[in-house]
Amino acid sequence: GAGVSQSPRYKVTKRGQDVALRCDPISGHVSLYWYRQALGQGPEFLTYFNYEAQQDKSGLPNDRFSAERPEGSISTLTIQRTEQRDSAMYRCASSLDPPSSYNEQFFGPGTRLTVL
Amino acid sequence: AQKITQTQPGMFVQEKEAVTLDCTYDTSDQSYGLFWYKQPSSGEMIFLIYQGSYDEQNATEGRYSLNFQKARKSANLVISASQLGDSAMYFCAMREYNQAGTALIFGKGTTLSVSS
Repeated sequence: GAGVSQSPRYKVTKRGQDVALRCDPISGHVSLYWYRQALGQGPEFLTYFNYEAQQDKSGLPNDRFSAERPEGSISTLTIQRTEQRDSAMYRCASSLDPPSSYNEQFFGPGTRLTVL
Repeated sequence: AQKITQTQPGMFVQEKEAVTLDCTYDTSDQSYGLFWYKQPSSGEMIFLIYQGSYDEQNATEGRYSLNFQKARKSANLVISASQLGDSAMYFCAMREYNQAGTALIFGKGTTLSVSS
């Protein structure tokens, strides 16, 4: 596909369950970012991959959150033992690298996670 | 301290009028980029315009222009000749290039409503 895709688009789960959110970046984009966006707020950074290497995970809120990108393409964000406060839109973005002075990040449609 | 500040929660404008959406930023880096994204009610994130810290001229993209005042650390978005389709949430964001691979830092956004 031409753009960043994410699946599922909507996920409803019960508190305590694990969820896995998938991101398929634009072909050839080596940088991949995960963000979380609460309703009415701007996206907040979670983690960043350069190829398969997770180079920044400073935005992950706690150790229930993890992410991987084993082959440098598709990425999975996993939330273990979900809590109601995890409910949000989870967005993936990708961009070209190596970094130049301008790297537009292309965002996916997001996964709306609702924890009951 | 907030890195990106958008002080206008909501703006209202009539069709064909120009509107300015405010954005101020805070960084000690010399090399950074400023981005504006549009988020319509459908939820997608649409890149609008970019300004690099070393760019001497204000960026323009069609009806969008960025009023960049480096000394004041402001990067206001100007939309000329507003259209009904411009109604959306608008986010200002910054990337600090001295930190390789870091993500976009977003403001809280401004909701623009365009009426006929």
